[in-house]
Order: sequence, then C-alpha cells, then structure tokens
Amino acid sequence: EIVLTQSPGTLSLSPGERATLSCRTSQTIRNNYLAWYQQKPGQAPRRLIYTASSRATGIPDRFSGSGSGTDFTLTISRLEPEDFAVYYCQQYGSSKTFGQGTKVEI
Amino acid sequence: EVQLVESGGGLVQPGGSLRLSCAGSGFTFSNYWMSWVRQPPGKGLEWVANINQGGSEIYYVDSVRGRFSISRDNAKNSLYLQMNSLRGEDMAVYYCARDVLHGNFDYWGQGTLVTVSS
Repeated sequence: EIVLTQSPGTLSLSPGERATLSCRTSQTIRNNYLAWYQQKPGQAPRRLIYTASSRATGIPDRFSGSGSGTDFTLTISRLEPEDFAVYYCQQYGSSKTFGQGTKVEI
Repeated sequence: EVQLVESGGGLVQPGGSLRLSCAGSGFTFSNYWMSWVRQPPGKGLEWVANINQGGSEIYYVDSVRGRFSISRDNAKNSLYLQMNSLRGEDMAVYYCARDVLHGNFDYWGQGTLVTVSS
C-alpha cells in the first residue's frame, strides 16, 4: 500500500497569505496520478486538482498543484475566507489511498 | 447537474448487516466507474471499493474484502454497498463518488452515516 504523508498537520494563516501544503508518498506515483480535495465541515470533499497539476472545472486559479515522483505540493496563492478548510491528497496510481489531511485555519 | 444521493445508513449492532444505496442523476450513469469512500467521525478519508461500468471489475480495500459487496443496477442508475459482519471500525460517513480518469473522484454524494454500536 502506498502511504501518503501530508505536512504540516495544521497551517495557521491569514486571508491574503500564501499557503503551501505538502504531500509525500512512500512510492513513486505512476503517471503522477495524484489529486487534491478540499473539505469543509459537514460537507463532502470537493476535487481541486488531478494528475498532480490539472485544475478541476470551476476551481479558481489561485489553487495550483505541482510535483512528481514522491513529492507533491498544493499552493493557494492568496487565501480567501472560504479557503479555510481541510485538504487531502489522494493517489490513484496503485489502488487508491488518501493522506491524513492538512487543516488550514485562520 | 450531476447529483449523487446516498441512503440506507443507520444504527446497526456489531456483526450486523446494512445495505447502502446511491442514486445518480444528471449524467449517463452506465458510462462511469463508481466508488464508495468512507470517513470515520473526525478522521480522514478511506477508499472502500469500486466497480466498473458493467460490473465485471470490482476492487476492495483489504479491510472490507470478504465482508462488503459492491454492485450496481444501470437500469436504475444506482450503486449499492452490501455490508456484512459490521465492526466498530466500519462506523463512518459513507460517500459514493464518481470515479474518473483512472481513479480520482470528481463528484461526491452528501454521505450517509453508518453507526455500529450495541
């Protein structure tokens, strides 16, 4: 099983600041099959990024994904109030596993 | 508009069974792989199982293999999860999700809560 480790566990930032979230995998991810999701309390996850850097339909361009191999990053260029949430990475190169999440808090 | 609506959650005793359903609309259900993903209260996400368009390919996470069974009825635009021999660690919100591009999830239902307790 591929293990995904997200860091930091919690990121405390202010609106307008830049957020950088890390996802490291225990094995190389085939074809960069890595996605990022946002989840707010009481809601289902929402896909932000797939294949490491492709933005999903309707996702603002302040969200960007990068990386390859075993190191991946989600960047939020300028935090808006609605961006404070929990973020998960997910690999789908070999079965499917999720990271434990990073909480972005005010 | 793509919609996924789960139902069937509830309280069940350890060792009991439950069947979850997911109704899809707003897209051609029979064209897509579908998955179940669960989330224990206050914890992270775990993929549980998926099924291909015709139901001929099915995969499970190790922790549920042999106890859970995923199926679909394309005529009814519905996905199912039969859960047997339920354990405390199966307690979670269960989401159905549309499984695309080799295994990421572009649409999710609102979830249904399964509580396993005596």
